[in-house]
Amino acid sequence: NAGVTQTPKFQVLKTGQSMTLQCAQDMNHNSMYWYRQDPGMGLRLIYYSASEGTTDKGEVPNGYNVSRLNKREFSLRLESAAPSQTSVYFCASSEVFGQGNTEAFFGQGTRLTVV
Amino acid sequence: RKEVEQDPGPFNVPEGATVAFNCTYSNSASQSFFWYRQDCRKEPKLLMSVYSSGNEDGRFTAQLNRASQYISLLIRDSKLSDSATYLCVVKASGTYKYIFGTGTRLKVLA
Repeated sequence: NAGVTQTPKFQVLKTGQSMTLQCAQDMNHNSMYWYRQDPGMGLRLIYYSASEGTTDKGEVPNGYNVSRLNKREFSLRLESAAPSQTSVYFCASSEVFGQGNTEAFFGQGTRLTVV
Repeated sequence: RKEVEQDPGPFNVPEGATVAFNCTYSNSASQSFFWYRQDCRKEPKLLMSVYSSGNEDGRFTAQLNRASQYISLLIRDSKLSDSATYLCVVKASGTYKYIFGTGTRLKVLA
């Protein structure tokens, strides 16, 4: 049971470099999310994709772009990394049935340091 | 005001103690409520969903008070393994966004 898989687990970037964080889920969920977690700030939503073919901004989208490649995969791109983007990034997925909601399932996280 | 607020703690309790956490939310349209557990440097994992009538799972009891807009988590007979950060999560009807509190840190002491 892989669930939600994120790569890489750790990354160090220099300011101005770019990179893409990959996320894949095998639960056939329609919705996928990218969060960042910083000390004292909790998890903050960067972008989400309610379903394949759609993406929307969350609370802190500046400096990021996303691609919903297919139903399984949702990637997060940093075009020009800044030290303020040093954080732990979590990908998540969930399913919604009518008015009901299931919980969100998380990947193991990517620890990104920008120097 | 934050959409979801929690006391950050830490709550330091002895083994066997009962401990309770509260979480308040500001959006009255919130429809789904969850408690997640997060261990140090790990991903959040669902502890339990919170239902309108309240629900129990072993030593854990969750309650929802819509009138006062808060949810609670009660842990009975605390174990050392309960030491973690507990995240309150709220989702409004008609949205896809899960809103997280900053978490309450629990330390169970031997």
